[in-house]
Amino acid sequence: GQNIDQPTEMTATEGAIVQINCTYQTSGFNGLFWYQQHAGEAPTFLSYNVLDGLEEKGRFSSFLSRSKGYSYLLLKELQMKDSASYLCAVTNYGQNFVFGPGTRLSVLP
Amino acid sequence: DVKVTQSSRYLVKRTGEKVFLECVQDMDHENMFWYRQDPGLGLRLIYFSYDVKMKEKGDIPEGYSVSREKKERFSLILESASTNQTSMYLCASSSGTSGSWTGELFFGEGSRLTVL
Repeated sequence: GQNIDQPTEMTATEGAIVQINCTYQTSGFNGLFWYQQHAGEAPTFLSYNVLDGLEEKGRFSSFLSRSKGYSYLLLKELQMKDSASYLCAVTNYGQNFVFGPGTRLSVLP
Repeated sequence: DVKVTQSSRYLVKRTGEKVFLECVQDMDHENMFWYRQDPGLGLRLIYFSYDVKMKEKGDIPEGYSVSREKKERFSLILESASTNQTSMYLCASSSGTSGSWTGELFFGEGSRLTVL
């Protein structure tokens, strides 16, 4: 089976840095995705990791450790518009994507 | 840009009615998916399809069926809607062939279904 875990909610202050963790147990791991979803909207792609290490994309970075079944999304210089849910998803050797429950981030002024 | 279009943003149906949710993508993607999203449960996969006329059950297929007669269109069918199927339904597509996945998921805007 597959199991993905994330914190349910997080709060941070505008301008700060926040790290959202994701742990997973899955068979046939083929990559890990992070998606952002604003309330009432569809998820949008943020990042993809298939090898261990850090992938940086502007204010957002994502890290993967396959041996530990662990990833995190790092958001720097937080802005109010970063208030959203952040979804961790894992793909296996098929075309299937399995999502975690999502982390709702609130950015406060 | 990839566009995934879902036919209805909001639907209200009565228990026992048949419900069709349509999804069309315009990027010639092989793979299409139907998820439902509920608070606290995240996105759960109902069905997916990796080719025309092919379908695979996801984690929660009970009470649902799908149809993929054309590559660009993937329909979700609720044969007899029930109140526990009230949810947000999200369609998505991705590229990749024959078990070799190559692209991320692109989502439609979602269809919020209420069953009374």
